This record gives sequence, structure tokens and C-alpha cells, in this order.
Amino acid sequence: AQSVTQLDSQVPVFEEAPVELRCNYSSSVSVYLFWYVQYPNQGLQLLLKYLSGSTLVKGINGFEAEFNKSQTSFHLRKPSVHISDTAEYFCAVSDFSNQGGKLIFGQGTELSVKP
Amino acid sequence: SAVISQKPSRDICQRGTSLTIQCQVDSQVTMMFWYRQQPGQSLTLIATANQGSEATYESGFVIDKFPISRPNLTFSTLTVSNMSPEDSSIYLCSCGRSPYEQYFGPGTRLTVT
Repeated sequence: AQSVTQLDSQVPVFEEAPVELRCNYSSSVSVYLFWYVQYPNQGLQLLLKYLSGSTLVKGINGFEAEFNKSQTSFHLRKPSVHISDTAEYFCAVSDFSNQGGKLIFGQGTELSVKP
Repeated sequence: SAVISQKPSRDICQRGTSLTIQCQVDSQVTMMFWYRQQPGQSLTLIATANQGSEATYESGFVIDKFPISRPNLTFSTLTVSNMSPEDSSIYLCSCGRSPYEQYFGPGTRLTVT
């Protein structure tokens, strides 16, 4: 079975500061990894994904994430956040052998960017 | 990509009634899923909607409570039956053509009183 743990439920940060949202996963097979963002009262939007190849993945809105297989982590980073980045962020995993793409989500991290 | 619409966007229902949520995709997709997001919680997969056959339910979810239909490759419905206040959640439809390409609808916000 797979699981995803997001280590911080809330991350407050000041505007223009760097931020890291932490995600660890557990799986006995190779996985695909995703970060989604959910703005208030909206659906989920894909930020970025890791499928294979380079362990540093760049996504939309200046976000990037690094896949670390030995540490089973997929932390999300942004060098300088904006007020508009305030949202809920979800890390998710999908394994190669599942029935076709179902995602297992972490508990979410609420990013709050203050002026 | 795929554009997904859901109806209704929100509803307030009385205990004991049922609500059917519709999910429409703008193109044919292989996989469709239904998720639940309880207040302040993450997303939990309810079931995989299989075209032309019975849905595949995750542990803790049963067909009698959450019947699902998928008559074709662009449309699915989820019914929340015999509702109780504990069913108050956001219900999201998602779709994909592969395990690494999945898109989400805007969600249906359900409140049960």
C-alpha cells in the first residue's frame, strides 16, 4: 500500500521569502509524484509532476520540486512567494501498477503568505 | 488537457434525501474517478468509474451509498444516497488518459442539514 505524509499542516511565510513544503511517500513500487494546488473555493490545479528522468522538476508559477528516491521525498520549493500563492497544497502519488491512475493524497499544507 | 464541468456546483440537502452529481468531460477519457474532500481534510478516493461496467470502490465506500454510473467515455454521475450531515463534503470528479495525466473538476460543495 502507498501513503503520503505532508510534514507541515500550516506554513506561514512573509511575501518574497523562500518556502519549502515537505512531502514524504511510502511505496513498495516505483511511483509517479504530483503536487496540486487548491485556491480558496476552487478545484485542484496541477503544479508539477515527476515521472522519470531529472530529479528536479519545474512547474507553473515558479514552483519546483526535487525527487529524492533514497529519502522517499518530493519537497516543493519556491524561492520567492507572493500573496497570490496563499492556498492549500497537496502532494500525491500514483504507482505504475495500479488500476489506472488513482491518486493517493497527503493531508495538505496550508500556505499563508503575509505582506 | 481536459476540461471538466460538474453539476451542481453546490447544494443544500435535507437528511435522508439523495443527490446526483454529474461530471462532463470535453473529450473522451479512459479513466474517471470520484473523490471526497471532507471539511478541512484531504481528498479521499471513493471509486473508479468504469465505462460499461460496475464502478470499483475503495475500502470504506459501498455501492448502495454511492452508486456511480458511466454510460460513455465523457460522462459520469455519482449519487450520494440517504444523506446524513456526515456526508457534507466537496465531491470532485477527475479524469485522465494515463496514470500520470489527471485533471480535476471544480467540485460540488454539498451541505446536508
